[in-house]
Amino acid sequence: EVQLVESGGGLVQPGGSLRLSCAASGFTLSPYWMSWVRQAPGKGPEWVANINPDGSWTSSVDSVKGRFTISRDNAKNSLYLQMNSLRAEDTGVYYCGREYWSQLDCWGQGTLVTVSS
Amino acid sequence: EIVLTQSPATLSLSPGGRATLSCRASRDINKYLGWYQQKPGQAPRLLIYNASNRATGIPARFSGSGSGTDFTLTISSLEPEDFAVYYCHHQAFGQGTRLEI
Repeated sequence: EVQLVESGGGLVQPGGSLRLSCAASGFTLSPYWMSWVRQAPGKGPEWVANINPDGSWTSSVDSVKGRFTISRDNAKNSLYLQMNSLRAEDTGVYYCGREYWSQLDCWGQGTLVTVSS
Repeated sequence: EIVLTQSPATLSLSPGGRATLSCRASRDINKYLGWYQQKPGQAPRLLIYNASNRATGIPARFSGSGSGTDFTLTISSLEPEDFAVYYCHHQAFGQGTRLEI
């Protein structure tokens, strides 16, 4: 079964850091572009960042540039999101997703990040 | 930056009815648009990619059309499980259409 499982979310104070992980199973990560998408409580999804298959190219939404870093380890079949200088507005459920024709055809169950003092 | 505007915000229909959801892009995006369904507590699910291609396992009652700036998702005969929130997506997501009974 094709599956993505996120981990690493939790409660963090403003200005703090978290590292999210996304483990893939049932398929090999290496040929795929991968993305992180977040969803604030009661809001729609927001694309956060993506990365090309070999990890040499990344892109992110302006609001996280300079604070969040997407990376991958194809040998471990895993995707990561390093989040620094967290703000209250970063609160939400973070999903990893597999890209297919620039859409996301496989999503994880999400991990909740809460930024609060 | 592409802005996607969905309409209507809420659509009230009955099972068996036909739903037509719209998504307008702020500039020409060719055919590169997807549609997602989201139910409470779940991740979004891809329904349509490249404007008109059904994703794996998606029933034939879901269809997409359009190109350029105007796109439509049609659900031909609503089943009870279709009542959810629908989002269009090209780089960014639209604000969503809630389909309610």
